[in-house]
Amino acid sequence: EAAVTQSPRNKVAVTGGKVTLSCNQTNNHNNMYWYRQDTGHGLRLIHYSYGAGSTEKGDIPDGYKASRPSQENFSLILELATPSQTSVYFCASGDPGQISGNTLYFGEGSRLIVV
Amino acid sequence: GDSVTQTEGLVTLTKGLPVMLNCTYQTTYSPFLFWYVQHLNEAPKLLLKSSTDNKRTEHQGFYATLHKSSSSFHLQKSSVQLSDSALYFCALRGSWQLIFGSGTQLTVMP
Repeated sequence: EAAVTQSPRNKVAVTGGKVTLSCNQTNNHNNMYWYRQDTGHGLRLIHYSYGAGSTEKGDIPDGYKASRPSQENFSLILELATPSQTSVYFCASGDPGQISGNTLYFGEGSRLIVV
Repeated sequence: GDSVTQTEGLVTLTKGLPVMLNCTYQTTYSPFLFWYVQHLNEAPKLLLKSSTDNKRTEHQGFYATLHKSSSSFHLQKSSVQLSDSALYFCALRGSWQLIFGSGTQLTVMP
């Protein structure tokens, strides 16, 4: 079974503070993704990566940075957290662009509250 | 651009009744669709994925058929159970990512 683990699972941050969400995968997938989930919006892509050293902007990248130091690890960074970034964040790994339509494997989610 | 539409935000049913969750898509590429299910406080997980045009795929009692003529991939089940209460996402394969619909919350009542 493919494995994606996220930390922290829960985080309360102050407005203007820095937050780092970490993700580790043992699937040896090239692609990794960060999504946020909000009621009524489904899953929205923030950043993604094709492999170590690469990061690309997704659909809603403003206010977020990403880092992919290795095949296994992909971090999401909020340099100056704002209350609008209160959400549940999911990391995923996989290669859905393949012809066979490979599955995305999701982590358990990180619940962030910015006060 | 590519997009996925799920028209129902919330569906509430009594146990034992059939259900159909709608999913339509737009794409200029050959379509490949997925259904993901997310139970409360859990990660989304793959439920099933599409096959060839007009061929039904099934998993855990759920089934869906890709219809290119109507750009649809509706999810169905003949008799829902309490454990089917969850958030269901339809997703379209893009060139490098999955494009998700907004999700349908299915609640099954006793």
